[in-house]
Amino acid sequence: AQTVTQSQPEMSVQEAETVTLSCTYDTSESDYYLFWYKQPPSRQMILVIRQEAYKQQNATENRFSVNFQKAAKSFSLKISDSQLGDAAMYFCAYRGLYGGATNKLIFGTGTLLAVQP
Amino acid sequence: DARVTQTPRHKVTEMGQEVTMRCQPILGHNTVFWYRQTMMQGLELLAYFRNRAPLDDSGMPKDRFSAEMPDATLATLKIQPSEPRDSAVYFCASGLGRGTEAFFGQGTRLTVV
Repeated sequence: AQTVTQSQPEMSVQEAETVTLSCTYDTSESDYYLFWYKQPPSRQMILVIRQEAYKQQNATENRFSVNFQKAAKSFSLKISDSQLGDAAMYFCAYRGLYGGATNKLIFGTGTLLAVQP
Repeated sequence: DARVTQTPRHKVTEMGQEVTMRCQPILGHNTVFWYRQTMMQGLELLAYFRNRAPLDDSGMPKDRFSAEMPDATLATLKIQPSEPRDSAVYFCASGLGRGTEAFFGQGTRLTVV
């Protein structure tokens, strides 16, 4: 079964600084998608960025980028120029590409990010 | 704009009562997920549908929970009878198949007293 692990329950960053959130996963599949979701206090789950496993190039979305290491099964999120609005819970997620039940979307336990002014 | 709609947003009920939560997925999406979020357990996958057929409900307590998709525009999650330990935020999410991202509704905050 696939698993997603986030080993940092909480992180803190100064406004305008850079922070990296860690995520590792376990799977026997070769094709899959990885995601980072953000959950602010409003509790709305918002997609931040996604990475297709078959793409070697790391995904970027404005100030958000990932470091995808397929062999190491690692998928970290880097937030540059941190802003107060980035304060939220961040979830790493995995979704298989093929099959029935393996196509489900599973989440890590989350990292609570605080941004200090 | 397209969004997943969940009703109700908040529900307070007494132990033993039936609770029904509803979800309208984004039009055209063929995949629906139900999650439960608590401080202790995080985001737990309860059920997963594709083309209205249940593919995985292994995370759902079978004795009291049930999930259905009567049609492509409606997914329901029922708890009968409800218990205080069911208090949580329940999310519905929809998406397309083949590993793509899921879009979440705003959740139903359930409190069972």
